[in-house]
Amino acid sequence: RKEVEQDPGPFNVPEGATVAFNCTYSNSASQSFFWYRQDCRKEPKLLMSVYSSGNEDGRFTAQLNRASQYISLLIRDSKLSDSATYLCVVSSSVDSGGGADGLTFGKGTHLIIQP
Amino acid sequence: NAGVTQTPKFRVLKTGQSMTLLCAQDMNHEYMYWYRQDPGMGLRLIHYSVGEGTTAKGEVPDGYNVSRLKKQNFLLGLESAAPSQTSVYFCASNYRIAGSSYEQYFGPGTRLTVT
Repeated sequence: RKEVEQDPGPFNVPEGATVAFNCTYSNSASQSFFWYRQDCRKEPKLLMSVYSSGNEDGRFTAQLNRASQYISLLIRDSKLSDSATYLCVVSSSVDSGGGADGLTFGKGTHLIIQP
Repeated sequence: NAGVTQTPKFRVLKTGQSMTLLCAQDMNHEYMYWYRQDPGMGLRLIHYSVGEGTTAKGEVPDGYNVSRLKKQNFLLGLESAAPSQTSVYFCASNYRIAGSSYEQYFGPGTRLTVT
């Protein structure tokens, strides 16, 4: 059974601090990895894809460790607007359109940035 | 460009009633999906479609039916609603891009309560 595991939190972090989340996945055949952000009572939105070499987008850095089957998200200089739930998402389909399996979502990590 | 839209936004049903949720996308996406999101459970795939006229079962298909008569629309039907179907339903869509990571675009959700 495919699973994506995340610490649900909440993570209470002061504004300006650095915070990191990890996520583990059980299916070694997983092909694509993402972090989505979901605000309260809103739809999920893509934050960033996660590439094998790691990637950075402004204050956000994502890393992938295939050997240990985990991905991470680092947020530097956190802002109040970063408060949200962060969903770790994994695709196991060789057809990156989603194919037979679609995406497998973690249950999310709840982040609260405090002033 | 409206993206992904869902109708209705809210609905209350009595046990045994039927209803159809409509999802529409104006991005010419091949793939469309229906998910449900429950507290502590994360997003789970109900049904998906890889193109007009085709549908397939996801992780939790029981009690639901779907149709994709037009490329831009994906309908989710509940023939006889049960309290266990109380949830937030999200529709999503994306391009079919082989060999590349991709982004699923989500609609704003439909909050369904079955009493």
